[in-house]
Amino acid sequence: EVQLVESGGGLVKPGKSLRLSCAASGFIFNDAWMSWVRQAPGKGLEWVGRIKSETDGGTIAYAAPVKGRFTISRDDSKNMVYLEMNSLQTDDTAVYFCATPTPPRYWGQGTLVIVSS
Amino acid sequence: QSVLTQPPSASGTPGQRVTISCSGSSSNIGVNYVYWYQQFPGTAPKVLIWRNNQRPPGVPDRFSGSKSGTSASLTISGLRSEDEADYYCTAWDDSLRGAVFGGGTQLTVL
Repeated sequence: EVQLVESGGGLVKPGKSLRLSCAASGFIFNDAWMSWVRQAPGKGLEWVGRIKSETDGGTIAYAAPVKGRFTISRDDSKNMVYLEMNSLQTDDTAVYFCATPTPPRYWGQGTLVIVSS
Repeated sequence: QSVLTQPPSASGTPGQRVTISCSGSSSNIGVNYVYWYQQFPGTAPKVLIWRNNQRPPGVPDRFSGSKSGTSASLTISGLRSEDEADYYCTAWDDSLRGAVFGGGTQLTVL
């Protein structure tokens, strides 16, 4: 059974940083393209970015609103994917979902990030 | 404003057939697969339709997907009260080099 478990969310002040983690199991992680998707309170789904498998080049793509501020990385030895978020803004307040592949078929339960002073 | 366009709401009575549309362009739906998700409040999305019209195991055959040109549709037949949820479409966009979502459709079962 595919399982994706996010962690690391919380309350952070504008301009600060936060790192989200996603622990994956139940599938061959090394071959998987991993995605991050977010959902602001009461709003729709918004794609954040994705990282390809190393076999497919490990290429990373980001949505325009987060490009240059967010960084996606993976550790295949630990079956983990990360989302490093810098220069956080109030508009980044959302539930962040880890998912696979792109577009996603499997989703984690999400972790809430609140950016507020 | 979302790249893919969905009606914000839809409704039907139990037993009816409801269709939710998703309109895109030649850089997304026109050349890539469409996926559909169902989401209940406070929970993660669940995939209903994979690669335009494929149903993952466990998804009732009341749910079906289709695609024509730059538009796609999700049809729910034999509507049930438990189908009341938000529905989203998505596709990869070759121009934006990213996945794009529709704004979501809130389905009400009257």
